[in-house]
Amino acid sequence: KNEVEQSPQNLTAQEGEFITINCSYSVGISALHWLQQHPGGGIVSLFMLSSGKKKHGRLIATINIQEKHSSLHITASHPRDSAVYICAVLNTGTASKLTFGTGTRLQVTL
Amino acid sequence: DVKVTQSSRYLVKRTGEKVFLECVQDMDHENMFWYRQDPGLGLRLIYFSYDVKMKEKGDIPEGYSVSREKKERFSLILESASTNQTSMYLCASSLWRQGTGTQYFGPGTRLLVL
Repeated sequence: KNEVEQSPQNLTAQEGEFITINCSYSVGISALHWLQQHPGGGIVSLFMLSSGKKKHGRLIATINIQEKHSSLHITASHPRDSAVYICAVLNTGTASKLTFGTGTRLQVTL
Repeated sequence: DVKVTQSSRYLVKRTGEKVFLECVQDMDHENMFWYRQDPGLGLRLIYFSYDVKMKEKGDIPEGYSVSREKKERFSLILESASTNQTSMYLCASSLWRQGTGTQYFGPGTRLLVL
């Protein structure tokens, strides 16, 4: 079993829909990251969470440390949100190395 | 803004060739990483370097070596390329003492080994 599990693996939504991507992890962590990868490869950081909730535009990320679970929400989805979304955790006691989920491929259609 | 660049976006090599992938970062980061990314497997760490001339094996180091002679530059070497090394290769860098694990990624190199 992977230390970081994401669901769903693939997601298709229509423009305007509310989207939720889930991430569960099995280890103690000091931080959790949500990353976005557009076709073409480059990965950018969306959020870093250690507790609670963060919002940036139409994106909201939450984390429940007790349940070892995080969610990424996209409100009013748009075709430009189509990308792979990756959850990654920084294990407690690890200074630098991240453990990655396998990603959720999101396609938003008109 | 942190910039991480990789020497090639696309590369086609033949089995048995020696392949060099180079990564350069401009933010004086101590840590640099090489990953490969395959469908369904996510990002897997090949090698990690936390200082010049220092390296640590990641999860899948077999068939790869690395070199870090200067702080800003981290090279991944495939000594004798094989078809199972066809993949997307991503480089990243981070600050050693940051504590959050935030990494900055290069654009990736898509390598095809024939």
